[in-house]
Amino acid sequence: DQQVKQNSPSLSVQEGRISILNCDYTNSMFDYFLWYKKYPAEGPTFLISISSIKDKNEDGRFTVFLNKSAKHLSLHIVPSQPGDSAVYFCAASAWNSGNTPLVFGKGTRLSVIA
Amino acid sequence: GAGVSQSPSNKVTEKGKDVELRCDPISGHTALYWYRQSLGQGLEFLIYFQGNSAPDKSGLPSDRFSAERTGGSVSTLTIQRTQQEDSAVYLCASSGRETQYFGPGTRLLVL
Repeated sequence: DQQVKQNSPSLSVQEGRISILNCDYTNSMFDYFLWYKKYPAEGPTFLISISSIKDKNEDGRFTVFLNKSAKHLSLHIVPSQPGDSAVYFCAASAWNSGNTPLVFGKGTRLSVIA
Repeated sequence: GAGVSQSPSNKVTEKGKDVELRCDPISGHTALYWYRQSLGQGLEFLIYFQGNSAPDKSGLPSDRFSAERTGGSVSTLTIQRTQQEDSAVYLCASSGRETQYFGPGTRLLVL
């Protein structure tokens, strides 16, 4: 039973436009959410995170939105750049419950077309 | 400062052999995690160390897998009697608080 789901395996976006990556979760104990970016043959690189006490967190071109009632979060990248092309993983943990290992989605491959 | 490092970067072994994978966490990070990513799958939690507490082994897929963390720093993941289904990328992460930072991974291929 997948607790973190990324239903779009791939996404193509024109350079300069907005990329929106979506993630759904089922475990109501999750209270900390992260997005990682992964290039081939490299480990995941931390991008941005959000605590369940917030509904939005912004860092430069990256914004994460959290809708707790819908158990849904999204990552917005604007403007998208060709260097953003990578696989993006959504992850969650029940940090405040002491259950800290991350549960990952299967990833969305983003292609930004010049 | 230096990030998480892992060695070897690639390992090819024969079925039935034992392998050891090493992780050097970020200095000062008290928590260390092992995950693996099989082909076409997301990252799967294996084992977690926090300070001097007993490790959380709930993600280990079989008793052929074990890990230790010496001196609260370097960790070694050991897979005994490797099987072909053990082929995957094994990733180590460390954290000081909520955010985990990953190493480059060890790509294991069991022939």
